[in-house]
Amino acid sequence: SQKIEQNSEALNIQEGKTATLTCNYTNYSPAYLQWYRQDPGRGPVFLLLIRENEKEKRKERLKVTFDTTLKQSLFHITASQPADSATYLCALRRLRDTGRRALTFGSGTRLQVQP
Amino acid sequence: GAVVSQHPSWVICKSGTSVKIECRSLDFQATTMFWYRQFPKQSLMLMATSNEGSKATYEQGVEKDKFLINHASLTLSTLTVTSAHPEDSSFYICSAAWSGDQETQYFGPGTRLLVL
Repeated sequence: SQKIEQNSEALNIQEGKTATLTCNYTNYSPAYLQWYRQDPGRGPVFLLLIRENEKEKRKERLKVTFDTTLKQSLFHITASQPADSATYLCALRRLRDTGRRALTFGSGTRLQVQP
Repeated sequence: GAVVSQHPSWVICKSGTSVKIECRSLDFQATTMFWYRQFPKQSLMLMATSNEGSKATYEQGVEKDKFLINHASLTLSTLTVTSAHPEDSSFYICSAAWSGDQETQYFGPGTRLLVL
């Protein structure tokens, strides 16, 4: 079955350091992968989308890589700030839902940036 | 960016009652809306997909008679939890997409439901 895995343990880093979060997937051949931020008690907020033919994508302090051979995406936040503390979710469009665009989410990794 | 709202943001109800949650796209026409459920410390699980003017498509294991979805207009979808029970207590999140963008969904802020 299709599966998305994110590190369930919280990631604690010092302010100013680079945070790196991992998303691994199995039994997928996604056309693209998305990253979202979710704050407690709130809905997800879209951050970045990377397509299967793209190796890397950047947006301000954010960088996403996508390795379709390893079936892995890495999400980096450089010069991290306490305001970056949140849960970060990766999401893939399910193979059989190309027409419906439904997303399958990983369980998310909680990032805590210490001042 | 596109804005999606949900109402109410939280609701407490007695077991056996029905609760309606609204999802609105405020500045675009949502041809498709999705309903997700999220339990504490877990990921979002898709419940159903609804296209404007047609019946919703439910995910396996989701009872369509218990979770009634109506997508009557291009800006509004409703989820009604009928005869709610404590196990239905969860965080319900909708998202909306339009036909001109095949990749992006815009999420609402979520509705916290507590069934006593």
